[in-house]
Amino acid sequence: DTAVSQTPKYLVTQMGNDKSIKCEQNLGHDTMYWYKQDSKKFLKIMFSYNNKELIINETVPNRFSPKSPDKAHLNLHINSLELGDSAVYFCASSSPGQEKLNTIYFGEGSWLTVV
Amino acid sequence: KQEVTQIPAALSVPEGENLVLNCSFTDSAIYNLQWFRQDPGKGLTSLLLIQSSQREQTSGRLNASLDKSSGRSTLYIAASQPGDSATYLCAVRLGGQNFVFGPGTRLSVLP
Repeated sequence: DTAVSQTPKYLVTQMGNDKSIKCEQNLGHDTMYWYKQDSKKFLKIMFSYNNKELIINETVPNRFSPKSPDKAHLNLHINSLELGDSAVYFCASSSPGQEKLNTIYFGEGSWLTVV
Repeated sequence: KQEVTQIPAALSVPEGENLVLNCSFTDSAIYNLQWFRQDPGKGLTSLLLIQSSQREQTSGRLNASLDKSSGRSTLYIAASQPGDSATYLCAVRLGGQNFVFGPGTRLSVLP
């Protein structure tokens, strides 16, 4: 069973388009994240939701809008895509429960290429 | 602002060698530190988690240490194998469920 699943895995689209990436976790976690990994492999947090509530919102263009319909899902919608948006986007989840369980689980990534 | 660095950026060793990967962080106010492995085209897999009150954790051939006061962690891999080839990232957990990642060390173990 896939703990954190995101779709699509690969996405090639033209500049100016709007696209969405979906993420679902079946771990019962309260917190979900979107991370961006650029060409230099730096992994940077974009957003974090706890129980459908936004708790972390880093300096990200407002063309990026996360949506959490319930605590098991966190989708990422991107408007007016730009070349610089090309990257791998990772969804993740964690639970704030007992400390030793407080690890973070990642999906396999969505490779976005803007042409 | 917390910054996490890792050295070396890349490492190539012959099979069977023991090796050490280094991770440094600027703010010692962390809840825990994790080491992850990332294979090409894949997500991140957690290898070891060290709580802020712990000094080390071991799993098989892997041993991770944490010196919170000096802002350093090491990942020791014993008897390396070609299957260990991957990128290894460390991450510190801050308050508010925020995890800050290092840039990773790309490891190649040659048969």
